[in-house]
Amino acid sequence: GENVEQHPSTLSVQEGDSAVIKCTYSDSASNYFPWYKQELGKRPQLIIDIRSNVGEKKDQRIAVTLNKTAKHFSLHITETQPEDSAVYFCAASHRTGNQFYFGTGTSLTVIP
Amino acid sequence: NAGVMQNPRHLVRRRGQEARLRCSPMKGHSHVYWYRQLPEEGLKFMVYLQKENIIDESGMPKERFSAEFPKEGPSILRIQQVVRGDSAAYFCASSPSQALSGNTIYFGEGSWLTVV
Repeated sequence: GENVEQHPSTLSVQEGDSAVIKCTYSDSASNYFPWYKQELGKRPQLIIDIRSNVGEKKDQRIAVTLNKTAKHFSLHITETQPEDSAVYFCAASHRTGNQFYFGTGTSLTVIP
Repeated sequence: NAGVMQNPRHLVRRRGQEARLRCSPMKGHSHVYWYRQLPEEGLKFMVYLQKENIIDESGMPKERFSAEFPKEGPSILRIQQVVRGDSAAYFCASSPSQALSGNTIYFGEGSWLTVV
């Protein structure tokens, strides 16, 4: 099955700086890569996703890049704000199984 | 369109009792997933179901745990003879029909189980 690895496990940045979280996957059949944000005691919420037919997608301060050859994808948050502090999870899924495999999470702290 | 509904939100059980967690998927969704999250850990896949079928239960312990998604009614995750190690947040997620590839899954608010 798919194996998704996520780094770093914790990340602290100063407010206004950028944050980058990286994930790798093992199954070349994976073709859909969502990112979820989970605040303390809350449910994971989808913040952005990318499909394998594109290399980059951007939504305001959030962007995701995908390198299919290297089997890795990254989340980029620019101009970070304290409300960006949360745990972020990457995931990978592919058409045939409709399964979702999650990374172990990155705890992001934005220091005011 | 209501989101994924889980209940109860919080459940306290004594060791040896049974816990039943319910999940109603989003309207129009026929795929349900259950994940377990221990404190300060990631989301561990447990089971994936479609209506009346278990598609993948590879993440679910063989003993004491079972799941169902009947033709009518919510999906239920059942934990028999609970132990302290079962204390965790249990998240349900749903997605639309597999006919469309790359479907997003949407999570419910979670059920927090505490075993005392």
